[in-house]
Amino acid sequence: DVKVTQSSRYLVKRTGEKVFLECVQDMDHENMFWYRQDPGLGLRLIYFSYDVKMKEKGDIPEGYSVSREKKERFSLILESASTNQTSMYLCAISRDPTYEQYFGPGTRLTVT
Amino acid sequence: AQSVSQHNHHVILSEAASLELGCNYSYGGTVNLFWYVQYPGQHLQLLLKYFSGDPLVKGIKGFEAEFIKSKFSFNLRKPSVQWSDTAEYFCAVNWMEGGSEKLVFGKGTKLTVNP
Repeated sequence: DVKVTQSSRYLVKRTGEKVFLECVQDMDHENMFWYRQDPGLGLRLIYFSYDVKMKEKGDIPEGYSVSREKKERFSLILESASTNQTSMYLCAISRDPTYEQYFGPGTRLTVT
Repeated sequence: AQSVSQHNHHVILSEAASLELGCNYSYGGTVNLFWYVQYPGQHLQLLLKYFSGDPLVKGIKGFEAEFIKSKFSFNLRKPSVQWSDTAEYFCAVNWMEGGSEKLVFGKGTKLTVNP
């Protein structure tokens, strides 16, 4: 069974705080993705990584950065959290960027 | 720009009714197509996928989808829905050429099945 875990299910942070969201996989997949999910907007890609230390911007990278120092771990960083970053954040992995993706349970982040 | 359209935002059905959820994508070429489902409180999971071959694909829990290349469509169907099918359904497309190899999701269709 594919296992994608995310560091927290729920997180509450204050405006201006630095926020770290972590994703860990046990499948040895090269590709890892961060999405945000908002009602009525579906999933939007923030960043993805196809290898250690490699990253590419997705559709909405502004206000976010990522880090991938080890193959199994992909971190999403909000340098200075803002209220418009309140959302559900989903991590996903895939063996190939064109193949199916496997998702973690998500982190619901609230920025107050 | 690549885009995926799901026509219905919210569909409400009674148990045993038939289901069809529409999905269209913006332009042709070789595509990989997916339907994902998110049950209340659960993570997104793959329902079915199409890469090539028979355009009618079967997935888990009695779902199927038909790829119609000429219509740029990949509609999801189930002949008889159950209360447990209440969930949000997402269509996703990956363009294999001329695209960025990113998976593009539709905005989702929320399905409510009344017992």
